[in-house]
Amino acid sequence: NAGVTQTPKFRVLKTGQSMTLLCAQDMNHEYMYWYRQDPGMGLRLIHYSVGEGTTAKGEVPDGYNVSRLKKQNFLLGLESAAPSQTSVYFCAAHDSNQPQHFGDGTRLSIL
Amino acid sequence: DQQVKQNSPSLSVQEGRISILNCDYTNSMFDYFLWYKKYPAEGPTFLISISSIKDKNEDGRFTVFLNKSAKHLSLHIVPSQPGDSAVYFCAASWGGYGNKLVFGAGTILRVKS
Repeated sequence: NAGVTQTPKFRVLKTGQSMTLLCAQDMNHEYMYWYRQDPGMGLRLIHYSVGEGTTAKGEVPDGYNVSRLKKQNFLLGLESAAPSQTSVYFCAAHDSNQPQHFGDGTRLSIL
Repeated sequence: DQQVKQNSPSLSVQEGRISILNCDYTNSMFDYFLWYKKYPAEGPTFLISISSIKDKNEDGRFTVFLNKSAKHLSLHIVPSQPGDSAVYFCAASWGGYGNKLVFGAGTILRVKS
């Protein structure tokens, strides 16, 4: 999935640790999103951004924070990781009247 | 409350035959519906979409049908190929094409050769 790059691809954390997931896009798109995918469920929206400097809550925002200081980057932070946040995290980007374009995901395990 | 439902967790089809994947929704405010395909260890890839003002959209082997009165849409793949084996997600949005997608749980399609 060229265009949206997620870092890291895998990570194991201990409960209570903090970390930041990075999403970078080279398509100059305005809109960016963070989703999580859990077994047996579809992707659920955590937070999103409609442009540089803006963020908004999605369906499941609790326990996460985000920042969009630069248009090409959208960061997802976990301040105090919990086992319930074990998931696969996907970032997406798009412009108006275009479908969302996804990165390959970050697999996060919290012990 | 799931607003987008894919009630079939999996589907197995013989190569060359038709694959039909179904999706139901509850929110009448949705104005666009999209299908994404996902291979293991990769992100979802956009496949095809349809506006709520249309009832059919076709792109090569893929056709999406929308029945607004029944709040139901389906994806037809004809003919099915082994490379189509993947997880297919139905997604819906309102207030703009592609915005804030609401996803179904996905259907695993296996195309047997």
